[in-house]
Amino acid sequence: GESVGLHLPTLSVQEGDNSIINCAYSNSASDYFIWYKQESGKGPQFIIDIRSNMDKRQGQRVTVLLNKTVKHLSLQIAATQPGDSAVYFCAETPTSGTYKYIFGTGTRLKVLA
Amino acid sequence: SAVISQKPSRDICQRGTSLTIQCQVDSQVTMMFWYRQQPGQSLTLIATANQGSEATYESGFVIDKFPISRPNLTFSTLTVSNLSPEDSSIYLCSSRRGRYNEQFFGPGTRLTVL
Repeated sequence: GESVGLHLPTLSVQEGDNSIINCAYSNSASDYFIWYKQESGKGPQFIIDIRSNMDKRQGQRVTVLLNKTVKHLSLQIAATQPGDSAVYFCAETPTSGTYKYIFGTGTRLKVLA
Repeated sequence: SAVISQKPSRDICQRGTSLTIQCQVDSQVTMMFWYRQQPGQSLTLIATANQGSEATYESGFVIDKFPISRPNLTFSTLTVSNLSPEDSSIYLCSSRRGRYNEQFFGPGTRLTVL
């Protein structure tokens, strides 16, 4: 099997429950944030993004919350499904200058049937 | 979103050889990026490849080890040279598109060095 995510923090959630995945970012100059989902054997997939002029953004079953005061980002997944099982990464970047992305360490989400 | 393909999807190589990974984007993009993802870890940027100029390498990565080509606005290659087992990783190509330069990734190339 794939070795990506073997040593990452793991969150186990019962199917149907809500999941909350947290991320602390490091660069005060970052003003654009993205959550990615990486399934086994695949590249990271864009889920949802948020600009620093917002503190909450909702998508389909997902919500991203941004707390700039404590440099914290969270991803909430409603009614977690088996297909949500994956490794989730947050990424931060300033939208000026280098546009260089900094990726968080990742969290493995396991959905229990 | 951008559609990005990579070849090969995986390979097993002998120590001391080289592997060239190809990345194709479905439309013209200015910037393409190469990342390494070592087992159990997050993504680390190797270099940024702009068409018509030399790639810009991140700290810890050098052109002799990771030569990159960017012959046009839809294609790039990354070569991992003089392979050692420490090079065993997933190598990911990406590009940006959209209002806020959202970054999209290819499926990755899984390299195992024996």
